Amino acid sequence: GESVGLHLPTLSVQEGDNSIINCAYSNSASDYFIWYKQESGKGPQFIIDIRSNMDKRQGQRVTVLLNKTVKHLSLQIAATQPGDSAVYFCAESSGYALNFGKGTSLLVTP
Amino acid sequence: DTAVSQTPKYLVTQMGNDKSIKCEQNLGHDTMYWYKQDSKKFLKIMFSYNNKELIINETVPNRFSPKSPDKAHLNLHINSLELGDSAVYFCASSQEFGGRRNYGYTFGSGTRLTVV
Repeated sequence: GESVGLHLPTLSVQEGDNSIINCAYSNSASDYFIWYKQESGKGPQFIIDIRSNMDKRQGQRVTVLLNKTVKHLSLQIAATQPGDSAVYFCAESSGYALNFGKGTSLLVTP
Repeated sequence: DTAVSQTPKYLVTQMGNDKSIKCEQNLGHDTMYWYKQDSKKFLKIMFSYNNKELIINETVPNRFSPKSPDKAHLNLHINSLELGDSAVYFCASSQEFGGRRNYGYTFGSGTRLTVV
């Protein structure tokens, strides 16, 4: 069936570096995408979203890029901090539900 | 104030028991959900409730039954618990069905269920 997946299950970066987390989706009808951050022992928290009529959206230290041609989504985190260590999920919606990818664990080292 | 709260946070129980997890949201959202997160962190939707009506039931065993007394509450009841039910269960809510407006879903902090 349709799926949302990630290229890398784990990512280790040094504090201060930029991080890029990638996500591939297969449902061409998806028109709304969200990135979530899940810290240990907590529920997923909204980071940033993007609709299919856009290809880039920026927030505070985060940027989401959407390439509909290749069905690819990425989350860029600038100047990664220790507090950014968490599992990151992309999620896509084609109307009736949010479907989550498998998650990427981001580890920020000093 | 906690937007989506679920209780208990931890639940340890024996196989064969029946247990319930409660969820409440104070956001005025129209739809609530239950997700199951397995040991590999994969989040899978179990149920959605919109205006007290079940919208989605994603091949979940009928031992699991959602109960919504009102729009702000969606409880999860599990009968005859099995070892494979051990997971973290998350309640979530959204302003509209599918979470396509205003930040998608708001999640609770999860209930870690351990069946022994």
